[in-house]
Amino acid sequence: GAVVSQHPSRVICKSGTSVKIECRSLDFQATTMFWYRQFPKQSLMLMATSNEGSKATYEQGVEKDKFLINHASLTLSTLTVTSAHPEDSSFYICSARDRGVTGNTIYFGEGSWLTVV
Amino acid sequence: DAKTTQPPSMDCAEGRAANLPCNHSTISGNEYVYWYRQIHSQGPQYIIHGLKNNETNEMASLIITEDRKSSTLILPHATLRDTAVYYCIVRPLHSGGYQKVTFGTGTKLQVIP
Repeated sequence: GAVVSQHPSRVICKSGTSVKIECRSLDFQATTMFWYRQFPKQSLMLMATSNEGSKATYEQGVEKDKFLINHASLTLSTLTVTSAHPEDSSFYICSARDRGVTGNTIYFGEGSWLTVV
Repeated sequence: DAKTTQPPSMDCAEGRAANLPCNHSTISGNEYVYWYRQIHSQGPQYIIHGLKNNETNEMASLIITEDRKSSTLILPHATLRDTAVYYCIVRPLHSGGYQKVTFGTGTKLQVIP
């Protein structure tokens, strides 16, 4: 299947700082990317949907000024957690929609563990 | 997206077939059934999808009932590496750019030696 890569896989940052997570589609162009957050023993929670070249659509309860999403190209989306706090510590996962031969299938990145200390 | 319901957990003996059910009674005519799995501390992995015909690939088989209100994912010879949470999702195959994917709680499959 198609490959979606996230970086970094693990990051530790100090409270109050910002951290950026990158999501790349390696072998296809992704006009749409999705960002999820997952807490231990819970399911994935959709945070936002982004289309290349336009503003992201955030789910209810997700602060757009805290979780900045940029989807400037067809192969790259970034999530920036601004002024991070310990409660932002979580597993962040991106996914990308491949409209190619597999027909609109969503592929996921490996995930990024964020720990805010 | 139509809602799906899955049993919270299942056990399967190593080497035996694992049959994971999913109910999607409100599925629309243009919605496909997708299956993903998530191994601990990793991103979800695409397994298979189908519309109404049974599908098979190198990972699994997907059996969809004639009325399309339920489906079963079959792992023919489960291994310990198949231990994961399995998610069943329904969504249109051809959709607009903002068609989001939401996850339920899935089925935690434990493969037992």
